[in-house]
Amino acid sequence: QQPVQSPQAVILREGEDAVINCSSSKALYSVHWYRQKHGEAPVFLMILLKGGEQKGHEKISASFNEKKQQSSLYLTASQLSYSGTYFCGTDRSGSARQLTFGSGTQLTVLP
Amino acid sequence: NAGVMQNPRHLVRRRGQEARLRCSPMKGHSHVYWYRQLPEEGLKFMVYLQKENIIDESGMPKERFSAEFPKEGPSILRIQQVVRGDSAAYFCASSPPGVQGTYEQYFGPGTRLTVT
Repeated sequence: QQPVQSPQAVILREGEDAVINCSSSKALYSVHWYRQKHGEAPVFLMILLKGGEQKGHEKISASFNEKKQQSSLYLTASQLSYSGTYFCGTDRSGSARQLTFGSGTQLTVLP
Repeated sequence: NAGVMQNPRHLVRRRGQEARLRCSPMKGHSHVYWYRQLPEEGLKFMVYLQKENIIDESGMPKERFSAEFPKEGPSILRIQQVVRGDSAAYFCASSPPGVQGTYEQYFGPGTRLTVT
């Protein structure tokens, strides 16, 4: 089953913060976050494993709440380069081989 | 270390023709995945292959679509008798071998198929 991402779209000014959520109705082993710019390939950001760990990548961090089967991606002090569509991919098998992606959250950062 | 390579980047086919999409995984990667993306939509899993084996093709349409990953050479996604609804971006991804469940999938630049 496809995870649900929210919001579908968000517009920010440079320097503002944003949170993108990814929820699943099924138990997950891990959540994978990607960013895709228009016309380009998705680029890997990070993997969150069950256990509620939090990871960071520059000013982008994420958490995974195993009880809620929800992951959140935090973008702080957003930069123009953060613009793009963010996808979460969920893994229910534990192998990280078969991912089910959400429909994406379109993030636009304005100067 | 070259990334995942896909060719062609753009492919135009008339209805009824065959489309062949190629994917060369990153060096050292033995797992290949194919995804389809319609405009303004997410990535839909199609098939997961290892060398000479199809592991999971649950996302692949039952007819007209096939995939292979031979011992030598790239992985190929073949679409026979294409229809307008096949128009989409097709992405290939690869990941390294192993049994742990934390492997990143690295995506290629995609092949944009247009059926006229």
